[in-house]
Amino acid sequence: AQKITQTQPGMFVQEKEAVTLDCTYDTSDQSYGLFWYKQPSSGEMIFLIYQGSYDEQNATEGRYSLNFQKARKSANLVISASQLGDSAMYFCAMREGLMDSSYKLIFGSGTRLLVRP
Amino acid sequence: SAVISQKPSRDICQRGTSLTIQCQVDSQVTMMFWYRQQPGQSLTLIATANQGSEATYESGFVIDKFPISRPNLTFSTLTVSNMSPEDSSIYLCSVEFRAWGPSGANVLTFGAGSRLTVL
Repeated sequence: AQKITQTQPGMFVQEKEAVTLDCTYDTSDQSYGLFWYKQPSSGEMIFLIYQGSYDEQNATEGRYSLNFQKARKSANLVISASQLGDSAMYFCAMREGLMDSSYKLIFGSGTRLLVRP
Repeated sequence: SAVISQKPSRDICQRGTSLTIQCQVDSQVTMMFWYRQQPGQSLTLIATANQGSEATYESGFVIDKFPISRPNLTFSTLTVSNMSPEDSSIYLCSVEFRAWGPSGANVLTFGAGSRLTVL
């Protein structure tokens, strides 16, 4: 079974509007972390936001916020006031076993976001 | 956060040849990670490289195909050996860095990637 599921291969949003990118995950660990990365066409991976499984509040970082619903095992990314530069691939990722010394990120298949002017 | 430099940024290679990708970090780090992203796909961890020990490979990746060196705490190389068109991918180096947020979590920082095309 997939550990990270992103069901939206592609999304469109009008400039200045908000958009939600979906991510669901599957883990039996109690301690895990959820990440969102942005990959522009240049190929680099840019870290956006992080949510720990024990964090009580939803993470926010500028125009990015993470809608974390632990019982539903979802960690959706919300981008407010979309800009043309937000057009990119977005990957949701999970790290299990936060207390372990190993560090392995499991990535979803990604969502391609296109912001329309 | 760490600054990661990868070389080459892109290359076109012939089938059967090998290519070594270099990854330089501007600070000392314990672990370095190599990921592969095949065209249109997500990222997959190839191996974890600790300084002074053998790299740890993920299922489906072997040392003969992807030998890794980690001579010091700021540098690593990944070699893609005996390349075939199926090895055409972006190869990304990453390090664990940057405590973030109230929980002080570390995140993975990535280099810009090395885009390899095998003909």
